[in-house]
Parts: sequence; structure tokens; C-alpha cells
Amino acid sequence: AQKITQTQPGMFVQEKEAVTLDCTYDTSDQSYGLFWYKQPSSGEMIFLIYQGSYDEQNATEGRYSLNFQKARKSANLVISASQLGDSAMYFCAMREFSSGGYQKVTFGTGTKLQVIP
Amino acid sequence: EAQVTQNPRYLITVTGKKLTVTCSQNMNHEYMSWYRQDPGLGLRQIYYSMNVEVTDKGDVPEGYKVSRKEKRNFPLILESPSPNQTSLYFCASRPTGLAGLRDTQYFGPGTRLTVL
Repeated sequence: AQKITQTQPGMFVQEKEAVTLDCTYDTSDQSYGLFWYKQPSSGEMIFLIYQGSYDEQNATEGRYSLNFQKARKSANLVISASQLGDSAMYFCAMREFSSGGYQKVTFGTGTKLQVIP
Repeated sequence: EAQVTQNPRYLITVTGKKLTVTCSQNMNHEYMSWYRQDPGLGLRQIYYSMNVEVTDKGDVPEGYKVSRKEKRNFPLILESPSPNQTSLYFCASRPTGLAGLRDTQYFGPGTRLTVL
């Protein structure tokens, strides 16, 4: 079974609207971390936001927020007030505890977001 | 400037010709990792290293080797490349320790490899 599932291969959103990118995960660990990255067409990986499994509040970073529902094992990224520069590929990733520390990282297959003027 | 550098950025080679992709970071990070990115598959971890002389397999290690002789460098070696190793490769680093879970990885710019 996939550890990280992003079910939306592609999405469109109108400029200035909010958009939610879905991410569900599967782990038996109690301690883990969830990350979202943005990859514009230029190819670099840009860190957006982090949520720890023990964090009681949903993470927020500017226009990005993470809707963390631990019981449902979901970590959806919400982008408010979309901008044209938000057009990119978005990846959800999970870091799990393995022998010796938090080394293994699993990425989802990504969601390509296109912002329409 | 804190950064992860990869060389070369683009490489076209032929099947069976050994190659090395270098990765270097200037942030004194203990942890380094290699990923490959393929369309529809996202990023998949190839190898990672917790520190000098400590390496371990990720999810797709077959056909790759790594070494970690110095803290700053983590080269990826393809001893006999095949066309199915055509991909975009990323190197990444991050600190470890108590804050290790929360720290994001810093990614290099990527190396686009084509094996004919």
C-alpha cells in the first residue's frame, strides 16, 4: 500500500480563490512528520509547511495552512488567495521514525496546480 | 550562501558507462539523501546517510552506489547505467539531532540524467 496518497493529479483554481490539495498517509508510527513542497516549472524543490504528529494545532505559514486530521490520516494543504505564481507541482511527504532516527522519507506522486487568471 | 550543489546539472550517457553525480553541502549537515523523480511516481528515496561512513538503502537502491567519506559530500555512483535510470535526481541535506524530525531538507537543483 502506498504510504502517501495524493489523489488529485491535476487541479485548476481561479486566481484569488482558495484551494485544497489532498494528502492521506499510512503509518503505524506514533511519531512522524508531514511536509509539503512546491516544485515550479524551473524544477527546484521549495519547502512550504511542516506538521508534526504530536502538534495539537494545524500548521500555518503565510497563505499556506495544513488541515491535519490525525484520526483520518490526512494532511491537506490549503492555499488561500491563490496567485498566478502558485502554479506548480505540489508534493506531500512523510518522515517516519526508523532504526537510528528519522531517516526514511516518502513522497506522494504530486498534484499539478494551475491558477487561472 | 547556504546551499546544496549538484554536478553535473545535465548528463546524457550511454548504457554501461560508469558515471558519478556529485553532491556537496556547506551547512555542516549530518544527514544527506538522494532521490529520483519520475513522472507519475513523485520522488523516491535511493540512499541516505546519517553521517560520515553511515549509509543505508532507501526504497529504490538497485543499480546505485553511494559513499560518504566526508561530511559535506555524498556522491551517487551508477556503475553500469541503464535506460531505466533515466530520471531527474535530487540530492538533499538536513541537520539531525533533537530537531531532526522538524527540520526540512534542503534540496539541490537537480541533475537530469538520460541514459541511451
